[in-house]
Amino acid sequence: QSVLTQPPSVSGTPGQRVTISCSGSHSNIGINTVNWYQHLPETAPKLLIFKDSLRPSGVPDRFSASKSGTSASLAISGLQSEDEGDYYCAAWDDNLDGLILFGGGTKLTVL
Amino acid sequence: EVQLVQSGAEVKKPGESLKIFCRASGYSFISHWIGWVRQRPGKGLEWMGIIFPGDSDTKYSPPFQGHVTMSVDKSSSTAYLQWSSLKASDTAIYYCAKRTSGAFEIWGQGTMISVS
Repeated sequence: QSVLTQPPSVSGTPGQRVTISCSGSHSNIGINTVNWYQHLPETAPKLLIFKDSLRPSGVPDRFSASKSGTSASLAISGLQSEDEGDYYCAAWDDNLDGLILFGGGTKLTVL
Repeated sequence: EVQLVQSGAEVKKPGESLKIFCRASGYSFISHWIGWVRQRPGKGLEWMGIIFPGDSDTKYSPPFQGHVTMSVDKSSSTAYLQWSSLKASDTAIYYCAKRTSGAFEIWGQGTMISVS
């Protein structure tokens, strides 16, 4: 069981907007930045969002993220079929000697 | 182009040893942490640990401490992950990733390890 809690699954239809939540605690999300990763089938994970809300070069602005207190969320607007896959939040945890936590992952299904 | 290229798939028996690699190119290898991530079949991503190639400073996630060893060869810009005695539960895909700005920015293609 991950210390960062994500919903196991979310779904949406093409063009819709979906959000994925990530709930943590003070020692991780509360005082450290959150990163989001996209893991599509048969590919390596890809950095989607870093430092809570920043997009690496090449990531479409359909992907956005925010953080408030000990929770973070990822939003995907204009949903596309190629967005189907798994999404993970991650953060350093100061209670674990600065080690990294991954959320349990959320499977996005595009209906 | 910044790239991490990992070694190929392995099929091993319980108790055997194994060392897989992650070869970096396109950036200063010694200046960025390299992390290792495991994904067991049907499961999520698990962070195993991280190593700084400049001085080999290493941090292991508690579940992996004592079971795997991370190392680097600066001369060949290569990071390694090794086991001295594999278990069936080590069956997984293992990814290396380069850390930049606190996130794993670049990922290797993954190495699939099957132990049975």
